[in-house]
Amino acid sequence: NAGVMQNPRHLVRRRGQEARLRCSPMKGHSHVYWYRQLPEEGLKFMVYLQKENIIDESGMPKERFSAEFPKEGPSILRIQQVVRGDSAAYFCASSPPSTSFTDTQYFGPGTRLTVL
Amino acid sequence: RKEVEQDPGPFNVPEGATVAFNCTYSNSASQSFFWYRQDCRKEPKLLMSVYSSGNEDGRFTAQLNRASQYISLLIRDSKLSDSATYLCVVLTGANNLFFGTGTRLTVIP
Repeated sequence: NAGVMQNPRHLVRRRGQEARLRCSPMKGHSHVYWYRQLPEEGLKFMVYLQKENIIDESGMPKERFSAEFPKEGPSILRIQQVVRGDSAAYFCASSPPSTSFTDTQYFGPGTRLTVL
Repeated sequence: RKEVEQDPGPFNVPEGATVAFNCTYSNSASQSFFWYRQDCRKEPKLLMSVYSSGNEDGRFTAQLNRASQYISLLIRDSKLSDSATYLCVVLTGANNLFFGTGTRLTVIP
């Protein structure tokens, strides 16, 4: 049973370009969470999704960031018009259906975004 | 004030030593607490949940003091493989999971 998959593992973008980060949850998991870890800072919650629904996006910046988790395929975190401050590690986590937010979340290896 | 505060360390301890990490949280309404472990440039992994009565898992003991809004992690008989960053994590409200910045531990041979 493969764990949470994220790709790409490393992504380099120039200012103003778009970044698309993908997350495939563990098999059988239908809840996906995105976190951002800035250098020397703790992980910060961004968004919580279930299939085709955004449950909580209170941690998402209001502009340039969006997330989706379609019926088929991976969850996508999209950052438009990236700026240097977007450089960070972006982690995705998943958990099984019929669980609460407090239940164990399994983290993917992360995508390290560097904006030049 | 940060939701979760931890001493960043680093803690450098010899093999076999006992080491304790502390963490404080600011919101008295927080209801769930966890310790995660994160190795360098890797993803966080759940180490243990923290229960009000305190709980133990092998060499690891976690305790919660709600009155002082304080969580601790004790590691006995440290191993080289315990070297990592330990993250204190607090759930407040329905979906608000707050991570501390982590305490870095290095176990020295």
